[in-house]
Amino acid sequence: QSVLTQPPSASGTPGQRVTISCSGSSSNIGSDTVNWYQQLPGTAPQLLISDNNQRPSGVPDRFSGSKSGTSASLAISGLLSEDEADYYCATWDASLNGFVFGTGSKVTVL
Amino acid sequence: EVQLVESGGGLVQPGGSLRLSCAASGFTFSNYWMSWVRQAPGKGLEWVANIKGDGSEKYYVDSVKGRFTISRDNAKKSLSLQMNNLRAEDTAVYYCARGVIGDCWGQGALVTVSS
Repeated sequence: QSVLTQPPSASGTPGQRVTISCSGSSSNIGSDTVNWYQQLPGTAPQLLISDNNQRPSGVPDRFSGSKSGTSASLAISGLLSEDEADYYCATWDASLNGFVFGTGSKVTVL
Repeated sequence: EVQLVESGGGLVQPGGSLRLSCAASGFTFSNYWMSWVRQAPGKGLEWVANIKGDGSEKYYVDSVKGRFTISRDNAKKSLSLQMNNLRAEDTAVYYCARGVIGDCWGQGALVTVSS
């Protein structure tokens, strides 16, 4: 089981704001930056947020990330139907000496 | 344009071996860490291994240590994952990704371990 815990699901209507949490510990989120990935149905994951809050080129500014202590969050504002996807947080874990992904959260647009 | 293309997936019996390859293009391959990440059917993402640009450092998830070996050929811009003593729980789509954090991913290669 993953050392990073996310809620299994989140949902909202078009235009709403949705937030996904990612809870870790001092050996992972507490000591390194957090990245977020979006996986659209049937496709490979793609990097959405790096270094806690940096958007790679091409990622809309509706997506934002934050980190505080041993937790991180991804926010999607102005929700669109195309945002329906699975979202994963990830970071390096110093105790495991490996990269760890969160349990994943499925976002549904109602 | 950055491209990563995996190959080598397939059906293998428990205890068997398989070698995955990832062909990279569109960037200076030797400058980047490279990673393998897998996803079992209907499950989440699991990091498998990564390797430094010059091949001098390698890290593995505990469940594959001693069975999987990550390697690279910078001259050929190629990343490999040698998988030995495969188990049913290794069944997954295996993705090649650029960097430690995976800022670019391939389309994946399906590995099925079954008798």
